[in-house]
Amino acid sequence: GENVEQHPSTLSVQEGDSAVIKCTYSDSASNYFPWYKQELGKGPQLIIDIRSNVGEKKDQRIAVTLNKTAKHFSLHITETQPEDSAVYFCAASKTGFQKLVFGTGTRLLVSP
Amino acid sequence: EAGVVQSPRYKIIEKKQPVAFWCNPISGHNTLYWYRQNLGQGPELLIRYENEEAVDDSQLPKDRFSAERLKGVDSTLKIQPAELGDSAVYLCASSSTGANTGELFFGEGSRLTVL
Repeated sequence: GENVEQHPSTLSVQEGDSAVIKCTYSDSASNYFPWYKQELGKGPQLIIDIRSNVGEKKDQRIAVTLNKTAKHFSLHITETQPEDSAVYFCAASKTGFQKLVFGTGTRLLVSP
Repeated sequence: EAGVVQSPRYKIIEKKQPVAFWCNPISGHNTLYWYRQNLGQGPELLIRYENEEAVDDSQLPKDRFSAERLKGVDSTLKIQPAELGDSAVYLCASSSTGANTGELFFGEGSRLTVL
C-alpha cells in the first residue's frame, strides 16, 4: 500500500522567514496530495491541495509543489507568522480524497 | 454552519472495559470517516461510510472494534474490550461526495486513555 514519509519532524523559524516541509510517497498511482494543519486540541484542517495534473499551486502565503517523477511534494510557507505554529500533515491518495494516507507530521514553531 | 461534533472529548478507562464514541457529521455530508491518531503520528483510517454503508473497513480491528451509522447520519465507534494500545485520539471526519473539492472536515476528536 501507499507509504508517505515527511520531513522534518520539527521545524523552528523566526517570524517572517520561510518554511519548507517535504514529503515523499511510494505509490506512483497516487494522484491527490492535500496538506492539513492541526492546532493543539483540534482536528486537522485542509489548507491546500494539489492534483497530479498540476505541478504547483499557490494560495497567498502558502504554496505546494509536486514532482511526480521523483514522487515528492512540498509545502512552502512564506512570511511566517506566529499563528502558523501548528503540526502540518501531508497526505496522498490514489482514489481521490476517500482513502488518504497521512505522513507523520511536522511541528512548526514560529518565534516572534 | 456547525462543524463535525464528537463526544466525549476525553475518556479514561481501565483496560478490558468497553468505550463508545459518537460523531455527528456536517449536515448533508454523506461520507463519514473514523480515523485513529496515535501520539506524534498522522491519522490512520479505520472505516469509511457512504451513507449507512461501510465501504472500507479494511483497517478496522474487527475482533474488538465495531462501528455503525444508523440512518446515514450519526455514527458510533465502539471498542470492547479496550487494550492499553488503544490509547489514542479518535477523529471523525465527513465530506460531501458531490463537492468538487477533496476536503475532509474533521471533528476535534475523542482522546482515549486506557489504564
